[in-house]
Amino acid sequence: QTVLTQSPSASVTPGQGVTISCSGSSSNIGSNYVYWYQQLPGTAPRLLIHSNYQRPTGVPDRFSGSKSGTSASLAINGLRSEDEADYYCAAWDDSLSGPVFGTGTKVTVL
Amino acid sequence: VQLQESDPGLVKPSETLSLTCSVSGGYISPNYWSWLRQPPGRGLEWIGSINHNGRTNYNPSLQSRVTMSVDPSYNEFSLRLTSVTAADTAVYYCAKGRVWFDPWGQGTLVIVSS
Repeated sequence: QTVLTQSPSASVTPGQGVTISCSGSSSNIGSNYVYWYQQLPGTAPRLLIHSNYQRPTGVPDRFSGSKSGTSASLAINGLRSEDEADYYCAAWDDSLSGPVFGTGTKVTVL
Repeated sequence: VQLQESDPGLVKPSETLSLTCSVSGGYISPNYWSWLRQPPGRGLEWIGSINHNGRTNYNPSLQSRVTMSVDPSYNEFSLRLTSVTAADTAVYYCAKGRVWFDPWGQGTLVIVSS
């Protein structure tokens, strides 16, 4: 099963920023849009970023996405306690003919 | 749009897992809808997608065991997964979309155990 690679965890103090990376290949990130999901403890994932950097209505501008080549990043500025969650990247994979997800990054707000 | 999965609870090994997702606040047509799952403590896996006309696209790793169907008259779509094993224990989510998913249902925990 093709997966995208993310760093497993990050610990940040409130008010600071964090950048989460996502590494893929030419068949997924390299040729398609990247999406980011936030999963708060015990809840379903929520779409955070679509089409590499677009924020759905209601997502604060503290969250921003970017993509370069076969990698992507999610930056969170001014972290708050409510941002403590698991974050997953995703992209369409041309070889799979379906979406693939990242391994997930757990962000802890100290 | 809101989505709600049915709750099969416990399924015995080798039996068939059946789930239904009810869509409210919007219509099945003309969209794509998907099933995804998340084993306890692990990441997300796409199972498959279906559109309002019944056109399907399944994850190759599950394709031999998966069937999805749609019923626009009831505004719902369904998943059947045959010959389940303990490895199929997971929270199962339904979601709107095929490439990206928004919104998601709340999820339902399915445990495969005798």
